[in-house]
Amino acid sequence: GQQVKQSSPSLTVQEGGISILNCDYENDMFDYFAWYKKYPDNSPTLLISVRSNVDKREDGRLTVFLNKSGKHFSLHITASQPEDTAVYLCAAEGTGYQNFYFGKGTSLTVIP
Amino acid sequence: EAGVTQSPRYAVLQEGQAVSFWCDPISGHDTLYWYQQPRDQGPQLLVYFRDEAVIDNSQLPSDRFSAVRPKGTNSTLKIQSAKQGDTATYLCASSLGGGNTLYFGAGTRLSVL
Repeated sequence: GQQVKQSSPSLTVQEGGISILNCDYENDMFDYFAWYKKYPDNSPTLLISVRSNVDKREDGRLTVFLNKSGKHFSLHITASQPEDTAVYLCAAEGTGYQNFYFGKGTSLTVIP
Repeated sequence: EAGVTQSPRYAVLQEGQAVSFWCDPISGHDTLYWYQQPRDQGPQLLVYFRDEAVIDNSQLPSDRFSAVRPKGTNSTLKIQSAKQGDTATYLCASSLGGGNTLYFGAGTRLSVL
């Protein structure tokens, strides 16, 4: 089965608003969680990551929230800008060099 | 520092033809991944190596796909007899250890006609 799931294939947000991207995972052994950003015809690049020993990590306009009991993590982008328009991939990895799993992606569009 | 290098960038095949993809990871990165990314989907793991050893190839269609990393550096992914369903971008990524950033190459965009 799919280990990491992004239930929303797309999201549209007004410029200046908050974009909330969600990801669910299945494996209790996952302890590293990340969000990658992908522009069309480009490879994914790491946006922000968090380990399972924290519930939240902030970096500028980005915040990752981790809910281990719910097997869920999310990315909040405040003051969304048109340049935030891209596909966002969530990813998770477990201890011991386990597989690095990606979700199918959420396409975010920020409307000016 | 050089990034992950992949070649070729593009490949167009007829069904039944063979193709090889090459990846040169970031120097010193022990873990190398091959992903298949169909259009409008996220990367799906095919196989990954730690040094020269295959750690997991359970998602690799073994009847037609093969991957090697003989010296724990460069890697080759080969499709023996391509099918239209193999049309996708093939991404190589490397990392240093586990639970760390994956660095992706530019990918090889494969079209099987």
